[in-house]
Amino acid sequence: DSGVTQTPKHLITATGQRVTLRCSPRSGDLSVYWYQQSLDQGLQFLIQYYNGEERAKGNILERFSAQQFPDLHSELNLSSLELGDSALYFCASSVGASSTYEQYFGPGTRLTVT
Amino acid sequence: AQTVTQSQPEMSVQEAETVTLSCTYDTSESDYYLFWYKQPPSRQMILVIRQEAYKQQNATENRFSVNFQKAAKSFSLKISDSQLGDAAMYFCAYRTQNYGGSQGNLIFGKGTKLSVKP
Repeated sequence: DSGVTQTPKHLITATGQRVTLRCSPRSGDLSVYWYQQSLDQGLQFLIQYYNGEERAKGNILERFSAQQFPDLHSELNLSSLELGDSALYFCASSVGASSTYEQYFGPGTRLTVT
Repeated sequence: AQTVTQSQPEMSVQEAETVTLSCTYDTSESDYYLFWYKQPPSRQMILVIRQEAYKQQNATENRFSVNFQKAAKSFSLKISDSQLGDAAMYFCAYRTQNYGGSQGNLIFGKGTKLSVKP
């Protein structure tokens, strides 16, 4: 157990819908990363937050957005869902924002869009 | 932009034998980190081993060791005395070294699926 929690574990929804994925980082970790794992694209970085502020953006679609709240939990919002958005979404956390700090991964949220 | 390539989609090893998984990467940076992650059927991402590019000595963690060839941009993982529990997807990953900076995302390869035969 990495100490990073993600809810829900599984999510099934229809095309065009909107969902919210939640991540609680390890106690004391200020930085949160979101990654998407799909059959087509593999594992790719979406976005990073540090202490409530966005720090880096990867291949995140405009239909997707994220935020980190004062209690440091983070949410990833996916809207106008398409079949291709079906994937495993990971959250990872680290103490700081720089590459010096290890990233610890949560168990992931499996999203299925039908 | 940095890229990570794993040229072996699948590998197989007999229990108790040794197997080597290959990884190459492309970067113009001189300082960076390299990682191997294991993803068993549970889908949990587990850090296996980490290598800092400035260190010439190859990292080792129990039965896992790496062969880091910086000039060749190669980073292979050797698993000795393979066990049934080693069966998993293995991902090679790159991370920029940004001293005190604010970005630290991982760049992953496509993965190698390792099967262990009893």
